[in-house]
Amino acid sequence: KAGVTQTPRYLIKTRGQQVTLSCSPISGHRSVSWYQQTPGQGLQFLFEYFSETQRNKGNFPGRFSGRQFSNSRSEMNVSTLELGDSALYLCASTDTSGANVLTFGAGSRLTVL
Amino acid sequence: DQQVKQNSPSLSVQEGRISILNCDYTNSMFDYFLWYKKYPAEGPTFLISISSIKDKNEDGRFTVFLNKSAKHLSLHIVPSQPGDSAVYFCAAKSGGYQKVTFGTGTKLQVIP
Repeated sequence: KAGVTQTPRYLIKTRGQQVTLSCSPISGHRSVSWYQQTPGQGLQFLFEYFSETQRNKGNFPGRFSGRQFSNSRSEMNVSTLELGDSALYLCASTDTSGANVLTFGAGSRLTVL
Repeated sequence: DQQVKQNSPSLSVQEGRISILNCDYTNSMFDYFLWYKKYPAEGPTFLISISSIKDKNEDGRFTVFLNKSAKHLSLHIVPSQPGDSAVYFCAAKSGGYQKVTFGTGTKLQVIP
């Protein structure tokens, strides 16, 4: 069974630009969550999608948005990039069964210059 | 407001000894707790979990203890191996919500 795939793995942008990150969940997983990891802050929850609907949202500004497609693939977008947006962005999927364990992808490392 | 706290950013342990990683939480609604391990350039991988109706869960060398009254959980690794060197994240969730709250992580170094 293929794992969670995130693309691109690395990218460099400049302030003011926007970026789109992609996530393909494990086959059969319908819930996709996004997290931002920065040094000293751990993993901060961005949002969670299930069946193309955003079910949960973290405390991030509106510049951070996402969507989920009918095949459960998800994208997140960050507009008007700031230096502080430099981080590892992690996507995770779950099968929504009892344990609800998140399975993470390797992440997309974003550097904003 | 950090609802899940890992107060030790790093820990060094000799190979073969016990590693104890600690985690505190403030939200009494949390009813399911997880530990994840993360190597550099990889995503976190699930290690072990515990429901709030239990106070201990064991899986091989890994044991998680939950003290609900103290809102504290710990991960014990016995014996510690060099391959256990990684960042360990404590996480918690409540009810059917998929929002999982993570701590800031503890970097474990197991010295051969």
